[in-house]
Amino acid sequence: DAGVTQSPTHLIKTRGQHVTLRCSPISGHKSVSWYQQVLGQGPQFIFQYYEKEERGRGNFPDRFSARQFPNYSSELNVNALLLGDSALYLCASSSSTSTFQETQYFGPGTRLLVL
Amino acid sequence: AQSVTQLGSHVSVSEGALVLLRCNYSSSVPPYLFWYVQYPNQGLQLLLKYTSAATLVKGINGFEAEFKKSETSFHLTKPSAHMSDAAEYFCAVSGQTGANNLFFGTGTRLTVIP
Repeated sequence: DAGVTQSPTHLIKTRGQHVTLRCSPISGHKSVSWYQQVLGQGPQFIFQYYEKEERGRGNFPDRFSARQFPNYSSELNVNALLLGDSALYLCASSSSTSTFQETQYFGPGTRLLVL
Repeated sequence: AQSVTQLGSHVSVSEGALVLLRCNYSSSVPPYLFWYVQYPNQGLQLLLKYTSAATLVKGINGFEAEFKKSETSFHLTKPSAHMSDAAEYFCAVSGQTGANNLFFGTGTRLTVIP
């Protein structure tokens, strides 16, 4: 079975622009989470979606938004890009959100560079 | 609030030597703990997880971790390092506050010397 897939793999944008990152979860998984990993740091939680509803949000500004589609794929949108938004954006899927011991399976990430 | 601290941003071991990567956690509730590995230019792969079933958890690639409540630790070990173990290792704790999110440590880069 295919794992979590993300597109694009790499992206270069300039300050002030908008970016959309895409994620397809493992087949059968209904929960998608987004993380930002700045170089040299651990991933930081941005959003979780389950059954198209936002279940949690990390400490990120309103420039960051996301949505989940009926097929459980997800998009992460970032407006008014700043240099500090340069990072690896990771998507993770899990089968449910009902237990906190649920394993999250990560995709390869999208590396965003803001110039 | 949940958090983890990884001691040592870089660890170097000789091939065949013991690997010990340290992780201490802080949690207001019984924690669920995870170790993930990240190879260069790749996403995160789950090595093992602690869910209170057993204090000694065995994972993939010969890794294991022991949950010690008295020390609030969840250190990762492997008896004999292999060159292919060179990677970044992250300890994480489950948020347990609504969203099923993870709080990650800052990571430990493992170098294996031939």
